[in-house]
Amino acid sequence: DIQMTQSPSSLSASVGDRVNMTCRASQGISTHLAWYQQKPGKVPELLIYDASTLQSGVPSRFSGSGSGADFTLTISSLQPEDVATYYCQKYDSVPFTFGPGTKVDTK
Amino acid sequence: EVHLAESGGGLVQPGGSLRLSCAASGFTFLTHSMTWVRQAPGKGLEWVSSISGGSGHPYYADSVKGRFTVSRDNSKSTLYLQMNSLRVEDTARYYCVKATGIGSGLHDTWGQGTLVAVSS
Repeated sequence: DIQMTQSPSSLSASVGDRVNMTCRASQGISTHLAWYQQKPGKVPELLIYDASTLQSGVPSRFSGSGSGADFTLTISSLQPEDVATYYCQKYDSVPFTFGPGTKVDTK
Repeated sequence: EVHLAESGGGLVQPGGSLRLSCAASGFTFLTHSMTWVRQAPGKGLEWVSSISGGSGHPYYADSVKGRFTVSRDNSKSTLYLQMNSLRVEDTARYYCVKATGIGSGLHDTWGQGTLVAVSS
């Protein structure tokens, strides 16, 4: 089975900062990669799919890139409401494995 | 509007059984794969099981294979998860999640979840 890793496991940045986090698959998955945002105490929400397509309603400060095995989620200007844990998930085939998550805080 | 409502969670002893349900509305249930994802307290997301749309081919994580059974009743727009031989490590919030199509692995809508606690 393909394993998913994410780095860093947590980060702290100032409001307005550019934030990058990465997701790596142990084998290539083309662009079958989704990013989810889970705010504290809330249900996960789909942010990005097909590695770089923004889900309807998601602010344009979020962007995704990558293909094959290496992917990046970028927040161009961190806002207080972006405090959350971000998970990547492969969906090319079962098992639909999630990464362990990156927890984002503000300084 | 798409709505997913899970039920059936609760406290059960190790070795016991529970049946989770997920009532779906706001979309054509038959034509969408459905998935169960769980999250242990303070932990990350874990894919548990999926079932394709239409005839409903099931898929399972290794951690639940042979103990859990996923099924769907398209006439009732309801997804089920029969959980047998429950273990302490199955303690988690279980989310019902809708996929974007009949055989899709991309999931776009989550329910609020139902809590399962396995403890003696």
